Amino acid sequence: AQSVTQPDIHITVSEGASLELRCNYSYGATPYLFWYVQSPGQGLQLLLKYFSGDTLVQGIKGFEAEFKRSQSSFNLRKPSVHWSDAAEYFCAVEAIYNQGGKLIFGQGTELSVKP
Amino acid sequence: GAVVSQHPSWVICKSGTSVKIECRSLDFQATTMFWYRQFPKQSLMLMATSNEGSKATYEQGVEKDKFLINHASLTLSTLTVTSAHPEDSSFYICSARVGPPEAFFGQGTRLTVV
Repeated sequence: AQSVTQPDIHITVSEGASLELRCNYSYGATPYLFWYVQSPGQGLQLLLKYFSGDTLVQGIKGFEAEFKRSQSSFNLRKPSVHWSDAAEYFCAVEAIYNQGGKLIFGQGTELSVKP
Repeated sequence: GAVVSQHPSWVICKSGTSVKIECRSLDFQATTMFWYRQFPKQSLMLMATSNEGSKATYEQGVEKDKFLINHASLTLSTLTVTSAHPEDSSFYICSARVGPPEAFFGQGTRLTVV
């Protein structure tokens, strides 16, 4: 069965520091990969997505993610974190075939930003 | 990007009553919508897949008779929590899928059953 693992439940970084949020997936083939951000009490906003092609994808708000097939990973990065980046981040996968577009989410990583 | 509107944003209801949550795609047609449930500090758990003009497909462990889903048009899906109890209190989020694969999410509904 497909699964998504975000090993870090909570991460705290200083404002201006770099950030990397980890995501590993378990699936027989390369799925569609997504990163979403959620502010408290809000829905989810798409940061970026990977379908195929260039394994380094750029997203909104200065985020990027790199797909590494050999490691089944899709880690999210940002070179310089802003206080407004504090939120919950979810990695998600969608099976390419026969799953009707269902998204499987990781457990989420809560990001706190120190001034 | 596409906009999904969810209403209401929050609702408080008495135990034993029913509550309806609407999910609308405002500027596109969505043949498939999804309903998720999220507990505090936890991830989203898919409850069901809502298909326009047909019965919803529920995930294992989700009570079909408690969580009624109707997808009457290409822009509207509804989730009705019937005979709600305090344990149904949660954050419910809908999403609509457009191709190439991308899901757009509503802003969520906070349900509190007292």
